[in-house]
Amino acid sequence: KAGVTQTPRYLIKTRGQQVTLSCSPISGHRSVSWYQQTPGQGLQFLFEYFSETQRNKGNFPGRFSGRQFSNSRSEMNVSTLELGDSALYLCASSLDGGFRPQHFGDGTRLSIL
Amino acid sequence: DAKTTQPTSMDCAEGRAANLPCNHSTISGNEYVYWYRQIHSQGPQYIIHGLKNNETNEMASLIITEDRKSSTLILPHATLRDTAVYYCIVRETDSWGKLQFGAGTQVVVTP
Repeated sequence: KAGVTQTPRYLIKTRGQQVTLSCSPISGHRSVSWYQQTPGQGLQFLFEYFSETQRNKGNFPGRFSGRQFSNSRSEMNVSTLELGDSALYLCASSLDGGFRPQHFGDGTRLSIL
Repeated sequence: DAKTTQPTSMDCAEGRAANLPCNHSTISGNEYVYWYRQIHSQGPQYIIHGLKNNETNEMASLIITEDRKSSTLILPHATLRDTAVYYCIVRETDSWGKLQFGAGTQVVVTP
């Protein structure tokens, strides 16, 4: 069974640009969550989508947004990039976002110049 | 979600059992205990989870105390590939996809 796939693996952007990251969940999983990992703040929850609806949201500014498609694939977008947005962005999927475990992709490494 | 306390780091000899403690003294009745690990440059890997009873799978065993205020992850025969940061997380069933990660325990398995 294929795992969670994130594309691209690496991205370099400049301040003020916007970026879109993609996540394909495990087949049959309908919940997709996004996380940001930085050396200073660790792993932080961004938001979760289920059946194309955002069901939960972390404490991030509105520049961070996402969406989910009918096939459960998800994208996250960051607008007006700042240097502090440099991070590893991780996507995780689970059957329904409840107590069943989440499975993570290997992330997209975003560097802002 | 309840907070967890883990040691910052641990060393373990290859082939020996690794016992990773976690305190979660404020855990509530509907919160599960999860363990994940993250090997450098990879995404977190699910290991095991439990509510009240001890659990075992092909990777590890999870021992939860009767009062549920602490737990121990046991890697029965540590290998060099088990070197990673291990995260103990507690979460409610209706927290909808949110895992609250702490700093975790850096485990180094030595030959």
